[in-house]
Order: sequence, then C-alpha cells, then structure tokens
Amino acid sequence: KAGVTQTPRYLIKTRGQQVTLSCSPISGHRSVSWYQQTPGQGLQFLFEYFSETQRNKGNFPGRFSGRQFSNSRSEMNVSTLELGDSALYLCASSLEVSGANVLTFGAGSRLTVL
Amino acid sequence: GDSVTQMEGPVTLSEEAFLTINCTYTATGYPSLFWYVQYPGEGLQLLLKATKADDKGSNKGFEATYRKETTSFHLEKGSVQVSDSAVYFCALIIGSQGNLIFGKGTKLSVKP
Repeated sequence: KAGVTQTPRYLIKTRGQQVTLSCSPISGHRSVSWYQQTPGQGLQFLFEYFSETQRNKGNFPGRFSGRQFSNSRSEMNVSTLELGDSALYLCASSLEVSGANVLTFGAGSRLTVL
Repeated sequence: GDSVTQMEGPVTLSEEAFLTINCTYTATGYPSLFWYVQYPGEGLQLLLKATKADDKGSNKGFEATYRKETTSFHLEKGSVQVSDSAVYFCALIIGSQGNLIFGKGTKLSVKP
C-alpha cells in the first residue's frame, strides 16, 4: 500500500515568489492535513481538508492557502514568500474512524527561501 | 489552550541503557495521545498511541501509558539501540476531527 507522497521533496525559491506543494494521500483516505516544521517553532498546524472542504485552519497568514481535489489529492500554496517561510512542510492523511484519528505523514517538502 | 510539554533534549545514552522521555499535556477535552518519531531527513512515523486513560501503547520495545491523573504520557524503552537515534514527538488530538498538537520534540542520540 503506497504511503503519503509529497512533491517536490526539495525546492529553493527567492523572496516574493510563490510556491505550490503537492500531496497524494493514502488511497481511501479523505482527510489531508498540512503542518509546517521549523527549528524555532516546531510543528505547527496549517490546515486540514476533508472532502474538498477546509475543515480546520491554523494561525497562519492568508499567504498560506490550500485546496483538495475530488481524488483527495491536496495542494498548498504560499504566495509572496518570506525568508521565515523556509521550513519542512509535512502533509498527513487519515482514514477517519470512531476513536483516535491516526495521521500518516509523508516525507515532507523542504522549502528554502533565499 | 491545549498543549503538550516534553522534556528538553538532547538526550545522549549508551546502547542498552534505559530510556524515559517525559511528556505532559493540557487539554480541555479527552485527548488521544501519540508518540511520533522522526529519523534524519524523513517525515514523522507513528510510534505508538493511546486513546483513553490507563491505555498502554507499545511498539518496537517502546511503551507509554496514558495517565489521566497526572496528565502524562511518558515514553520508555528498556534497552535502546543505536538505530533508535532520532527525534521523538509527543502529541495529542481532541476528538476525531481535531488537529495534532505537538510537543517541541526530544532528540535522542544513542552511542555504541
């Protein structure tokens, strides 16, 4: 069974540019979440999508956006990049069942902003 | 608000030593608790979980017990190996639709 696939794995951008990251969840998983990981702030929740609708959103500026397609694949976009956006962006998918919602993470997309 | 506090690292141990990484939480509801592990250059892998008080999660020799009275979920392993060197994250989630709230992570280095 394929895991969560994130592309690209590494990318370098300059300030002011925009970037789009892609996430393909595990087959059958309908919930996709995004997290930002930095050395200073640790792991922070960005947003969660379920059946093409944003269900939860973290405390990030509007430059950070996302969407989910009918096949559950998700993209996140960051516009007007700042140096502080350099981070590992992690995507996770889950199969919602009663009880604990267990998230399976991808390997991440490492963004460097110069 | 809901939060997770785990012991600061790094933690350096010799092979076969006993490991404890402390984790405590604050939650308004009834959380499920998790330990995730991150190896260098990789994403997060679920190590173990517990969904209610007194549950014990276990995997690969690691264990953690959900203690509601002390709001804790400490990670333990009786005999660590060099291959256990990684960053360990304690996390919680409220209900089935919440987001994961992570601790800051504890880096473990095991020396041969």
